[in-house]
Amino acid sequence: KQEVTQIPAALSVPEGENLVLNCSFTDSAIYNLQWFRQDPGKGLTSLLLIQSSQREQTSGRLNASLDKSSGRSTLYIAASQPGDSATYLCAVAVIKAAGNKLTFGGGTRVLVKP
Amino acid sequence: DGGITQSPKYLFRKEGQNVTLSCEQNLNHDAMYWYRQDPGQGLRLIYYSQIVNDFQKGDIAEGYSVSREKKESFPLTVTSAQKNPTAFYLCASSMQTANYGYTFGSGTRLTVV
Repeated sequence: KQEVTQIPAALSVPEGENLVLNCSFTDSAIYNLQWFRQDPGKGLTSLLLIQSSQREQTSGRLNASLDKSSGRSTLYIAASQPGDSATYLCAVAVIKAAGNKLTFGGGTRVLVKP
Repeated sequence: DGGITQSPKYLFRKEGQNVTLSCEQNLNHDAMYWYRQDPGQGLRLIYYSQIVNDFQKGDIAEGYSVSREKKESFPLTVTSAQKNPTAFYLCASSMQTANYGYTFGSGTRLTVV
């Protein structure tokens, strides 16, 4: 059974510092990995999607890497801003006979202090 | 704009009542999903559907029911058999192969009163 872990569970940094969020998964037979952002009481907003054949994806200040062999992904957020304060979730997709399924990590709650 | 619409945003249920949460998408996605989110427990899969008129149980299906009569719609009914229904419910959709990832709605917060 696929298990996804995110460490740390919470992170507080001063504005301008780079953020490093970690995600690990137990089964390397993934289809893709997706990073989401969730603000309190809101739905999930997709940040980056990395296919299993890719090593990284970039969007603006965000960069996500994927190492399938070691079961790890890292989300980097450069020059953090107070608006980056949110919970960040990683999720891995696995394709099975009954269809594709997404398994989530527990999330990392980020606070960027002005 | 394409997206997923969940309604209502807030829902209150009395003991013994069934309630239905709505999820509609105009992304032409094949697959739809329902997740439950509780504080400190992350997201757990309730039900999912890959095609119309077909759906499968997820990890925590007991006390819930779904239907998929149209490609665009995947309503979730929380029955009286669900003993602890207070949670945040999220609906998602994807292409069948998930090539383009998953898209989520804005959620429904259900509270038992």
